[in-house]
Amino acid sequence: EVQLVESGGDLVQPGGSLRLSCSASGFTFTSYTMHWVRQAPGKGLDYVAAISSNGGGTDYAASVKGRFTISRDNSENTVFLHMSSLRPEDTAVYYCVKAGPGGQYYFDYWGQGTLVTVSS
Amino acid sequence: EIVMTQSPATLSVSPGERATLSCRASQSVSRNLAWYQQKPGQAPRLLIYGASTRATGIPVRFSGSGSGTEFTLTISSLQSEDFAIYYCQPYNNWPPETFGQGTRVEIK
Repeated sequence: EVQLVESGGDLVQPGGSLRLSCSASGFTFTSYTMHWVRQAPGKGLDYVAAISSNGGGTDYAASVKGRFTISRDNSENTVFLHMSSLRPEDTAVYYCVKAGPGGQYYFDYWGQGTLVTVSS
Repeated sequence: EIVMTQSPATLSVSPGERATLSCRASQSVSRNLAWYQQKPGQAPRLLIYGASTRATGIPVRFSGSGSGTEFTLTISSLQSEDFAIYYCQPYNNWPPETFGQGTRVEIK
């Protein structure tokens, strides 16, 4: 059974930093692109970042580029999201998401999410 | 950037009735279109990929159709557990940055 378990969400002041983690199990982690998607309270889904299966390729939404860094540890089946210079508009539930098979970029499994609140 | 437009924003349907949700892309995405369902307090769940292929465990009352720029998600006979928000997402390009704004299906 595929499981994605996020952790690290917290209340942080504007300008602060936070690191989210996502522990994956139930599939061959090293074969799949992984993503972070967020959802602000009462809003829709927003793509945040993606990392290729070997970690060699990354991509970011324009709203987080230069402030967030996605990384992965394939020996630990874990993907990370390092967030810095946080803004109130970064407040959201952050979901760790697995890409579909065969290089398809739909999202076939989602974690339960971790809440990040940016407020003074 | 591809813009996805979902309609209607809210759909009021009685249990047992048919629901038809639309998703329009600003440019062709071929059949690279996914649908997700999100219930309150839960993570989204993949329903449909490839415009019409049901994901694992998805009931047959959910069906998808379309290609290019026009897509439809149909729920043939709404069950109580189907009242939720539905999002479409194109994935023809890297990265898959876009989601539709969602359609809320509510009880009439």
